[in-house]
Amino acid sequence: QQQVKQSPQSLIVQKGGIPIINCAYENTAFDYFPWYQQFPGKGPALLIAIRPDVSEKKEGRFTISFNKSAKQFSLHIMDSQPGDSATYFCAANLYGNKLVFGAGTILRVKS
Amino acid sequence: KAGVTQTPRYLIKTRGQQVTLSCSPISGHRSVSWYQQTPGQGLQFLFEYFSETQRNKGNFPGRFSGRQFSNSRSEMNVSTLELGDSALYLCASSLGTSGLSYEQYFGPGTRLTVT
Repeated sequence: QQQVKQSPQSLIVQKGGIPIINCAYENTAFDYFPWYQQFPGKGPALLIAIRPDVSEKKEGRFTISFNKSAKQFSLHIMDSQPGDSATYFCAANLYGNKLVFGAGTILRVKS
Repeated sequence: KAGVTQTPRYLIKTRGQQVTLSCSPISGHRSVSWYQQTPGQGLQFLFEYFSETQRNKGNFPGRFSGRQFSNSRSEMNVSTLELGDSALYLCASSLGTSGLSYEQYFGPGTRLTVT
């Protein structure tokens, strides 16, 4: 019940495309849903986050869509660039500052 | 503002030894959380400290422990190291105050190798 399921495992898109990464959860006690970007040899960097009372949030080229009834949320990256090639993690927050992470999606943007 | 810093960045230890990792949070942040990242298990929550008290704990054995000091800096300790403890250990800091942002900012991590 504390799992967050993330798909796909990997994704290849052309420059300018819109990669979409999906996550699903079961535990309705989760109260905050962030996305992180991680480059090799670095720690995860917070990209964007949403609370369950909001259905969509945009920050720059990144958009989160949130479907509370379906217990699903997704990340869209508009006008993707080769520099966006990284591993992306969705997460859900439980009981204060305890993040439960998805397994990660390796994104490659081809130029 | 300086980000989260972790020391050391790399560490090689032998089975049975113990290790202490250090984390300095962003100035003004009072919550420090620790995570373990491995290729097989992904990112897993270890524990969280807020105002020198452990507030949350993950499903790790008692060999994993931590503490937080009055300046919010935190240390985690792993005793009797096992080969399976080889991982990237990440520290994250946040304001931590209930009702406010849960945004957690990660440090670069400490890469621990157990031989």
